[in-house]
Amino acid sequence: AQSVTQPDIHITVSEGASLELRCNYSYGATPYLFWYVQSPGQGLQLLLKYFSGDTLVQGIKGFEAEFKRSQSSFNLRKPSVHWSDAAEYFCAVVEYGNKLVFGAGTILRVKS
Amino acid sequence: DSGVTQTPKHLITATGQRVTLRCSPRSGDLSVYWYQQSLDQGLQFLIQYYNGEERAKGNILERFSAQQFPDLHSELNLSSLELGDSALYFCASSVESWARDEQFFGPGTRLTVL
Repeated sequence: AQSVTQPDIHITVSEGASLELRCNYSYGATPYLFWYVQSPGQGLQLLLKYFSGDTLVQGIKGFEAEFKRSQSSFNLRKPSVHWSDAAEYFCAVVEYGNKLVFGAGTILRVKS
Repeated sequence: DSGVTQTPKHLITATGQRVTLRCSPRSGDLSVYWYQQSLDQGLQFLIQYYNGEERAKGNILERFSAQQFPDLHSELNLSSLELGDSALYFCASSVESWARDEQFFGPGTRLTVL
């Protein structure tokens, strides 16, 4: 079975600072990878996805992620964090069919 | 707003009881997925329906069942509830059932079992 690891449970960054959230996956072939964000009391919103092709993908809200096959990673980045980015972020991979397998999530706190 | 609606938003019940969670997918979406989010298990896939038929099953307990109706709305039935069933239950929908199809998530139903 596929799995996703998000090694950081909590991350705190200052507003305006850059952000990188880590994600590692285990899968034999080229995976379909996603990043979702969950704001308090809300459902999950898709930030970006990777299927194939260019390994640097752009998403909504100024986020981007880079697929690195050699490191089995799909890290999420943002050059300048805003207070409204405070939320929980989930990395996910599609398993057979199209069920999503999620990582444990990373809670982002933004300090002003 | 994803276009996926879930009712009720909150549900408080007692152990041993049975509840039904309802999900209406986005207009035109044929697939419905159910996920459970709990503190100890994280976000887990439960089950998927596509155009009325069960398509995939995950870590869904035998006490849980689901169905998708002809109008494509779905219901998740949880019976003989235990304290450990307390969780946030999400429904998601997608246009078809391909791995590349984006899943749109509803706001969730928070179930509390006392």
